Amino acid sequence: EADIYQTPRYLVIGTGKKITLECSQTMGHDKMYWYQQDPGMELHLIHYSYGVNSTEKGDLSSESTVSRIRTEHFPLTLESARPSHTSQYLCASRGGAGNTIYFGEGSWLTVV
Amino acid sequence: AQRVTQPEKLLSVFKGAPVELKCNYSYSGSPELFWYVQYSRQRLQLLLRHISRESIKGFTADLNKGETSFHLKKPFAQEEDSAMYYCALVNFGNEKLTFGTGTRLTIIP
Repeated sequence: EADIYQTPRYLVIGTGKKITLECSQTMGHDKMYWYQQDPGMELHLIHYSYGVNSTEKGDLSSESTVSRIRTEHFPLTLESARPSHTSQYLCASRGGAGNTIYFGEGSWLTVV
Repeated sequence: AQRVTQPEKLLSVFKGAPVELKCNYSYSGSPELFWYVQYSRQRLQLLLRHISRESIKGFTADLNKGETSFHLKKPFAQEEDSAMYYCALVNFGNEKLTFGTGTRLTIIP
């Protein structure tokens, strides 16, 4: 089934740990995005990609990094997590008929 | 730089009353604009986009290039319309997708 998947959905980790949030889509979309969103608040674009081997920083300065080695996969990595990274991270892809944007269910990260 | 502004963080409307959620944008080219909705505990989903000029769940939005606005309207609010609504803009040149700050719509029974 065509969809966009994020793992893990929920994660609690200690300060200083390295974490990778996974995002995969099965729709063959070229464009993919990462947003940071606190509950009920605005979405902040932190990274985006318009194809394999292309990544760009978004509007919100972030200590995270991304890679786009395969079309379907757009992981986000925090080398050293801090409590200020506690938030929800949303992955999205865009493409297909109408160039529609599809969102994953989100990854809730808590850094203690 | 592209920017999307939603001036109202909160909006309460009585059931059956008209709804208008405001969205203004700044962008130097021809924008592609969307409205997204997020119901409680659900993922963000597309409500409508200006290119298709369709009506979804009774909502419509018209792109006004002169006023750089893309307001979302519904003539008669329903309780199930209570949700967070986000206006979004895509830059055709670099595919950057920017969202507004969102408006929380509450329909009062």
